[in-house]
Amino acid sequence: NAGVMQNPRHLVRRRGQEARLRCSPMKGHSHVYWYRQLPEEGLKFMVYLQKENIIDESGMPKERFSAEFPKEGPSILRIQQVVRGDSAAYFCASSPALGQAQETQYFGPGTRLLVL
Amino acid sequence: ILNVEQSPQSLHVQEGDSTNFTCSFPSSNFYALHWYRWETAKSPEALFVMTLNGDEKKKGRISATLNTKEGYSYLYIKGSQPEDSATYLCAFASNYQLIWGAGTKLIIKP
Repeated sequence: NAGVMQNPRHLVRRRGQEARLRCSPMKGHSHVYWYRQLPEEGLKFMVYLQKENIIDESGMPKERFSAEFPKEGPSILRIQQVVRGDSAAYFCASSPALGQAQETQYFGPGTRLLVL
Repeated sequence: ILNVEQSPQSLHVQEGDSTNFTCSFPSSNFYALHWYRWETAKSPEALFVMTLNGDEKKKGRISATLNTKEGYSYLYIKGSQPEDSATYLCAFASNYQLIWGAGTKLIIKP
């Protein structure tokens, strides 16, 4: 039973390029959460998605960042025109159908984004 | 603004000793309190989900207690082993969103 998969594990981009981070939730999970860990900081919530729906994007920067979770395929976190401050580890987590507060979130290994 | 505080920030413990650390969270709009263990270069691993005041959970040598009225949870590790070295995170669940503490980094000295 594969866990949460994220790819790529490491991503290097130059300023102004686009970064696409992918997350495949655990089998049977239909809720996905994206978190960001900036250097020397803790995890910060970015966005919560269900299939084809964004439920809460209150933690997402208003510009350049977007997320989707299509009916088929992985969830994608997209960062346009990356800047050095976007360098961070981005973690995806998934939970079963209910997606409630009591549900354990299962984390992927993260994508480490470095912007040069 | 909801805030979750963990203390201490880091902790050095001799192998074989027992230890504990604290997570403080808002006492209102409480849904659940999660504890995770995060080893370097790995992903956070769930330890406990606690929902009721007075809850006590145990997993091997690790246990946790919950006081929702005063807004704190303790994590205990009995007889620390080198493999316990990790950052221990707590997260306060307000509805579905988890608000994370900065973690307690535990280092076990052999």
